[in-house]
Amino acid sequence: AQTVTQSQPEMSVQEAETVTLSCTYDTSESDYYLFWYKQPPSRQMILVIRQEAYKQQNATENRFSVNFQKAAKSFSLKISDSQLGDAAMYFCAYKRTGANSKLTFGKGITLSVRP
Amino acid sequence: EAGVAQSPRYKIIEKRQSVAFWCNPISGHATLYWYQQILGQGPKLLIQFQNNGVVDDSQLPKDRFSAERLKGVDSTLKIQPAKLEDSAVYLCASSRDSSFEQQFFGPGTRLTVL
Repeated sequence: AQTVTQSQPEMSVQEAETVTLSCTYDTSESDYYLFWYKQPPSRQMILVIRQEAYKQQNATENRFSVNFQKAAKSFSLKISDSQLGDAAMYFCAYKRTGANSKLTFGKGITLSVRP
Repeated sequence: EAGVAQSPRYKIIEKRQSVAFWCNPISGHATLYWYQQILGQGPKLLIQFQNNGVVDDSQLPKDRFSAERLKGVDSTLKIQPAKLEDSAVYLCASSRDSSFEQQFFGPGTRLTVL
């Protein structure tokens, strides 16, 4: 079974600084997707960034980028120039490719941003 | 494009009562998911529909939970009778089809069972 591990329950960053959130996963599949979701207090899950396992290039979306290490099964999220609005819970998630595959989430990490 | 709609946003009930949640997915999305998110944890899939058929309900406590998706559009999740441990946020999500990688989430319903 696939598992997603986020070992840091909380992190804090100063506004305008950079922070990295860690995630590891376990799978025997070779083709899959990895995601980072943001969940603010409003509870709505918002997709931040996704990575296809077959792509060697790390995904980037504006201030958000990932460091995808397939052999190490590591998928970290870097937030640059942190803003107050980045404060939220962040979840790492895994989904193998193909029909009817399940989205598996980690336990999440609470990110606070200090002004 | 309208997002996934859910109601109610909040619900407080006594244990052993029943409760129902409603979800309207994004128009044209064939796949609909219900997740349970207990405080401090990531969402856990309860049930997945493809159109109006169930694809995966392996983690649905079928003695008390039921769900339906009539006509392959709206869906209802019911709990009867509720237990204290059912207190959680219930998230609905939809995707174009089951192989599409991105799921779109609704705002969730926070259930408190007293």
